[in-house]
Amino acid sequence: SQQGEEDPQALSIQEGENATMNCSYKTSINNLQWYRQNSGRGLVHLILIRSNEREKHSGRLRVTLDTSKKSSSLLITASRAADTASYFCAYAGGTSYGKLTFGQGTILTVHP
Amino acid sequence: DVKVTQSSRYLVKRTGEKVFLECVQDMDHENMFWYRQDPGLGLRLIYFSYDVKMKEKGDIPEGYSVSREKKERFSLILESASTNQTSMYLCASSLFGRVGHGGEKLFFGSGTQLSVL
Repeated sequence: SQQGEEDPQALSIQEGENATMNCSYKTSINNLQWYRQNSGRGLVHLILIRSNEREKHSGRLRVTLDTSKKSSSLLITASRAADTASYFCAYAGGTSYGKLTFGQGTILTVHP
Repeated sequence: DVKVTQSSRYLVKRTGEKVFLECVQDMDHENMFWYRQDPGLGLRLIYFSYDVKMKEKGDIPEGYSVSREKKERFSLILESASTNQTSMYLCASSLFGRVGHGGEKLFFGSGTQLSVL
């Protein structure tokens, strides 16, 4: 399977702490994206980083990409209880017609 | 904002029934996708379409077919539902469909939780 892997599978922290999630993939990519899913709902796009970028910020989110290691990380700073959700990395490569391969997700729980 | 609408939030069907899951997007997107999501397995691509009447198999197409007669609508069909098709089904769309582009962000519907008894 070309499915990506995410680590950790579950993460439990207190409000105000930082949360870091990691993603590894197996193919060459054009871009890597992170999505968030609240329980039982659809996914929402958070941030996209292209293969020629190493780091990207959006509000409290920071994403890094290391194409030599085929890995990415998502950092959420100063977490809030409302950040509780599942987080997925997804990537597209080559002539993929825009289809994304998703990792298995990290379940983040932020305790008030 | 882009809206992707899935026709049913919850669906209960019997083994052997033919099941239609409908998805409509309102932003003239070229690409549309059907994923299924199962605990511990993440999202897996069933089928996708990059244009009207065009379709490509994803990673797990067995037991499914699709139809895209109009640009805004992408239907997933379970020809003869089986219990192992009990899952959350997610439809998504994205804007770019050109060869080599590689994919931009997906907009997802809220999902259909299908139970096959």
